[in-house]
Amino acid sequence: SAVISQKPSRDICQRGTSLTIQCQVDSQVTMMFWYRQQPGQSLTLIATANQGSEATYESGFVIDKFPISRPNLTFSTLTVSNMSPEDSSIYLCSAGALYQETQYFGPGTRLLVL
Amino acid sequence: AQKVTQAQTEISVVEKEDVTLDCVYETRDTTYYLFWYKQPPSGELVFLIRRNSFDEQNEISGRYSWNFQKSTSSFNFTITASQVVDSAVYFCALSEDFYNNAGNMLTFGGGTRLMVKP
Repeated sequence: SAVISQKPSRDICQRGTSLTIQCQVDSQVTMMFWYRQQPGQSLTLIATANQGSEATYESGFVIDKFPISRPNLTFSTLTVSNMSPEDSSIYLCSAGALYQETQYFGPGTRLLVL
Repeated sequence: AQKVTQAQTEISVVEKEDVTLDCVYETRDTTYYLFWYKQPPSGELVFLIRRNSFDEQNEISGRYSWNFQKSTSSFNFTITASQVVDSAVYFCALSEDFYNNAGNMLTFGGGTRLMVKP
């Protein structure tokens, strides 16, 4: 199994600012993903983080708002840019690998935008 | 397109009661994975089970059991003799693309909030 850590665990930010969330996996994984969980809602996939190339974004999410980096097989960052109160959510990183049992999730980053 | 529906948004039971959480899915693929995750109040997602589309055997793990029926596109989860610690939000999820195995992206249902009262 993979152990995933995220930093920060939570933050309170002002409208118009940006926050970068880090995700570290303790082993090399094939796939890394970023999900958003709005208050009281389910998880929605933001994008697939691709190593060494641009992330693949889901409908409704764009690179200018959620730039993602993945410089190697164990690390990725998600930036929430020009934040508004609607961005207040839990952001979760997940990782999976070929022939592994499941997709593992980080503990999440709780973001509150004032 | 794939879709997962958890019709029960909230269930409340008294401790020691049995409870079943329903999950219905839609997919055009013939090969796929189904999952259940638990999200306690602390917020982390805890993996409970994975089932692939070729394996319709029911599974039991302690007080937990899962019933997978392809004919009705359902993957229901039963907790026997529920306990207060079972209180959480439970998510059913689907992953297509069998050959990329479980490492592929997940489509989640809306979740069912289970409250177990003492």
